[in-house]
Amino acid sequence: DAGITQSPRHKVTETGTPVTLRCHQTENHRYMYWYRQDPGHGLRLIHYSYGVKDTDKGEVSDGYSVSRSKTEDFLLTLESATSSQTSVYFCAIRRDGDYGYTFGSGTRLTVV
Amino acid sequence: EDKVVQSPLSLVVHEGDTVTLNCSYEVTNFRSLLWYKQEKKAPTFLFMLTSSGIEKKSGRLSSILDKKELFSILNITATQTGDSAIYLCAVSSGSARQLTFGSGTQLTVLP
Repeated sequence: DAGITQSPRHKVTETGTPVTLRCHQTENHRYMYWYRQDPGHGLRLIHYSYGVKDTDKGEVSDGYSVSRSKTEDFLLTLESATSSQTSVYFCAIRRDGDYGYTFGSGTRLTVV
Repeated sequence: EDKVVQSPLSLVVHEGDTVTLNCSYEVTNFRSLLWYKQEKKAPTFLFMLTSSGIEKKSGRLSSILDKKELFSILNITATQTGDSAIYLCAVSSGSARQLTFGSGTQLTVLP
């Protein structure tokens, strides 16, 4: 979707290595979110941000950290990747009004 | 703990049928309920509902919210094969309006 991009689109990494996923927005929205999607679990919230340097934990935050040093970028770091973190990761921004939330195209992460 | 439950988990219909997807929720500090369609990639926004009893409509899709009984339905009339997807229900809550998702309903529309 226009206005929100995730990188990389795909990544394979080894157990124990750190991994950083990037979410970039061009529309200056205050709220940004990281979700993971796994079969049978739907999407689950990892962390969210409500402004520069303002972040908080979601439902499944163990093993993840985030940073937001600029409004447009929200980074998700897996400090030491494990096989249980193999998943599809989505970033989202919250739009004003009746436009809901817009999701990025996702990052498919495989930890081997 | 916030909870969103969708039913059925999966549904197979033929083109032209009408389907009703259900979503019930238990959350603290409810803000809104949203429906998304997900094909092979990112969820795409369908509706956001904040008030009870007001139907939202877009083409063959419509949705309504009941805040007293804590549920919503998504109706799709005259289904087409292009409607085949996972339909996700999510509830926004709390000061950060984070979304809690249901597990989704997998809809398959056969020609």
